[in-house]
Amino acid sequence: DAEITQSPRHKITETGRQVTLACHQTWNHNNMFWYRQDLGHGLRLIHYSYGVQDTNKGEVSDGYSVSRSNTEDLPLTLESAASSQTSVYFCASSESESLEAFFGQGTRLTVV
Amino acid sequence: EDQVTQSPEALRLQEGESSSLNCSYTVSGLRGLFWYRQDPGKGPEFLFTLYSAGEEKEKERLKATLTKKESFLHITAPKPEDSATYLCAVQPNYGQNFVFGPGTRLSVLP
Repeated sequence: DAEITQSPRHKITETGRQVTLACHQTWNHNNMFWYRQDLGHGLRLIHYSYGVQDTNKGEVSDGYSVSRSNTEDLPLTLESAASSQTSVYFCASSESESLEAFFGQGTRLTVV
Repeated sequence: EDQVTQSPEALRLQEGESSSLNCSYTVSGLRGLFWYRQDPGKGPEFLFTLYSAGEEKEKERLKATLTKKESFLHITAPKPEDSATYLCAVQPNYGQNFVFGPGTRLSVLP
């Protein structure tokens, strides 16, 4: 069965370190997204991609970057981790513009 | 600015006690409204998409409806396994990206 997987599921890192969260999907979807979820907020879009070599900034992109070298993967990099980036991160993919997105299981990141 | 609000923030029901969750939205043009279910420690799981006012979708004990300003998720005779957070999201006409509401946390007690 096609799926979307995130790794690691949990990570603790120190302030100032670079961190990369992995997202891999086997749906062969062109569209991929990264969100963060915090108490009191809905899911907020960090970055998104509509295809290979395409990346775009979302609502809360400062301090984050992504790259899309193939259809299956969209890694999220925190350039210099800050305590404000402690959150649960979700990756998602969708087949086309107006279809539903499929989400990964999430990565809980703690920055100490 | 596109916005989505959901009410109530939390809802506690007895098994079999029907109720409704509300999603109110402001968006310049609506391409679609989506409902997701999220269990603790998991990613959101797609439930429904609604595209135009008056549209309804059903799945087991859940029915979603849409007007020009809001959507309702009706839960009929809920069971404990319906306990979850229900998220609403809108997709504006001008782009592909979703705007999510904060969710309603539903607890169904046996």
